[in-house]
Amino acid sequence: DAGVTQSPTHLIKTRGQQVTLRCSPKSGHDTVSWYQQALGQGPQFIFQYYEEEERQRGNFPDRFSGHQFPNYSSELNVNALLLGDSALYLCASSQFGTGSEAFFGQGTRLTVV
Amino acid sequence: KQEVTQIPAALSVPEGENLVLNCSFTDSAIYNLQWFRQDPGKGLTSLLLIQSSQREQTSGRLNASLDKSSGRSTLYIAASQPGDSATYLCAVPYNNAGNMLTFGGGTRLMVKP
Repeated sequence: DAGVTQSPTHLIKTRGQQVTLRCSPKSGHDTVSWYQQALGQGPQFIFQYYEEEERQRGNFPDRFSGHQFPNYSSELNVNALLLGDSALYLCASSQFGTGSEAFFGQGTRLTVV
Repeated sequence: KQEVTQIPAALSVPEGENLVLNCSFTDSAIYNLQWFRQDPGKGLTSLLLIQSSQREQTSGRLNASLDKSSGRSTLYIAASQPGDSATYLCAVPYNNAGNMLTFGGGTRLMVKP
């Protein structure tokens, strides 16, 4: 079992550009959640996808959008990048519903210059 | 709104010491709490998941307790080793629905040989 995999590992973008990050969930999981972690802080919840729909959303602007594919993998898109979007982006997978354990990928380090 | 606080923010101890990391949350109506470990620049590794019906969970040298009524959890690490050096994060369900997580700021642990 490969666990949760994210790509790419590192990314450098220029202000105003758009970026797409990818996540493949752990085998047997159907739910993907995305988090943003600024340096020295705990992760902040962005949104969660289940059955190819956004189910919950945290306090993030519409510049952050996502998608889930029939094979449960997911993408996070960020438009009009700002310097403040520089962070570690984490993907977590789980089985839908309360009480299930979340497993995280290794993250994508995004630097906006 | 659920808020999670971890104290201390940083901790440095000599090898072999037993230590306690603290986590507090404002809304006691949680159905589980999860502890994670994060190495610098890496993703999160799940350590322990405590369901609301449990009072503690153990894994090797780690023991986590949960007191919902007081809004507190502790992570006990026995006989600390330099390899335990990392940031430890606790998390509870985002809005007590689904399994999106609200994280504390973490405790950065350094175990000196």
